[in-house]
Amino acid sequence: DGGITQSPKYLFRKEGQNVTLSCEQNLNHDAMYWYRQDPGQGLRLIYYSHIVNDFQKGDIAEGYSVSREKKESFPLTVTSAQKNPTAFYLCASSMADRGSYTFGSGTRLTVV
Amino acid sequence: AQSVTQPDIHITVSEGASLELRCNYSYGATPYLFWYVQSPGQGLQLLLKYFSGDTLVQGIKGFEAEFKRSQSSFNLRKPSVHWSDAAEYFCAVGAPGTASKLTFGTGTRLQVTL
Repeated sequence: DGGITQSPKYLFRKEGQNVTLSCEQNLNHDAMYWYRQDPGQGLRLIYYSHIVNDFQKGDIAEGYSVSREKKESFPLTVTSAQKNPTAFYLCASSMADRGSYTFGSGTRLTVV
Repeated sequence: AQSVTQPDIHITVSEGASLELRCNYSYGATPYLFWYVQSPGQGLQLLLKYFSGDTLVQGIKGFEAEFKRSQSSFNLRKPSVHWSDAAEYFCAVGAPGTASKLTFGTGTRLQVTL
């Protein structure tokens, strides 16, 4: 079955360390997105990509980086510059001509 | 800039009662509109979407939503709520025509009492 896979489900890191969250999709979707979810704040867009080797900053890109070397993959790196990285991270994908997203099941990152 | 407001943070309804979750959006023209549902610790699942045409759209799990241009609203409804509907619901807005970044509301948490 086609879908979008995020790994790991839970991630613990020490403060000051970079960490990379994986997102893979086999839906043949062109566009991929990373959102951050915090209680009471809904989903906030970190980065998005509509085609391979191209991506744009979202509303809260500071302290994060991404790459899009393959259509299927859109990893997110949370760097030590992100001041408050503990959150639930959601990856999504969509077709180029449709706005509705398919979401992964999320990665909960805890920085201690 | 587009924005979405979900005025109700938390709603409690009895099983079997009707439900309406409110969503108001801000956008210069008619946007694409969506409702998603999220169970605790999970990703979001699409309930329904509005692109154009009939302003009353049907979705999965017995949900429907009505687009009202004059009120800039896209409220979600269900005639009879089941205990399994307890979850968080998000309204989202996007620019029509191409894949674009969606803007989400802050969500409404639905509690269902038996």
